[in-house]
Amino acid sequence: DQQVKQNSPSLSVQEGRISILNCDYTNSMFDYFLWYKKYPAEGPTFLISISSIKDKNEDGRFTVFLNKSAKHLSLHIVPSQPGDSAVYFCAASAGDMRFGAGTRLTVKP
Amino acid sequence: EAQVTQNPRYLITVTGKKLTVTCSQNMNHEYMSWYRQDPGLGLRQIYYSMNVEVTDKGDVPEGYKVSRKEKRNFPLILESPSPNQTSLYFCASSSHASTYTDTQYFGPGTRLTVL
Repeated sequence: DQQVKQNSPSLSVQEGRISILNCDYTNSMFDYFLWYKKYPAEGPTFLISISSIKDKNEDGRFTVFLNKSAKHLSLHIVPSQPGDSAVYFCAASAGDMRFGAGTRLTVKP
Repeated sequence: EAQVTQNPRYLITVTGKKLTVTCSQNMNHEYMSWYRQDPGLGLRQIYYSMNVEVTDKGDVPEGYKVSRKEKRNFPLILESPSPNQTSLYFCASSSHASTYTDTQYFGPGTRLTVL
């Protein structure tokens, strides 16, 4: 039972454009959400997070949006850079943490 | 340098041969955890530990054991590995006893193949 779903296994965007990665969840008890980025042969690294009391959190080129009524969050990367090419995991917490399956982002020069 | 280390990074073994994957963190973190990553399934938690001598099952604990005798170390033990335990394993730690609102620091991963 996957409580956190990333339905797009891959995404390809042009350098300079916006990347939008999506994540859906089913458990309404989740109240903290995180995005991790993972490069090949490395462990995931924390990218950005949002509490359920907010609907938007911004950190430089990265913005996470949360729509609680739709149980949906998204990560926007603007502008996208080739170095952003990685696998992005969405995670949700209600005391313990659940991860999505990941979305592989490729940013083409 | 603050880090989580895992050894070995790569391991090929045969069914039934006991193995241990070590995990160590130098950040004095209370919370440590083991995950496995499989295609299409993301990261699934195997076991976690909120402090020394305290361990709990995660989502997929079957076939695994852990111990937390010291704060910095959290080894993952496969007493009798089977091919369905072929996976990429990550150890992680965070500074508080709960992962709630606290980001985790991950090790580089251990790729295990069980023949």
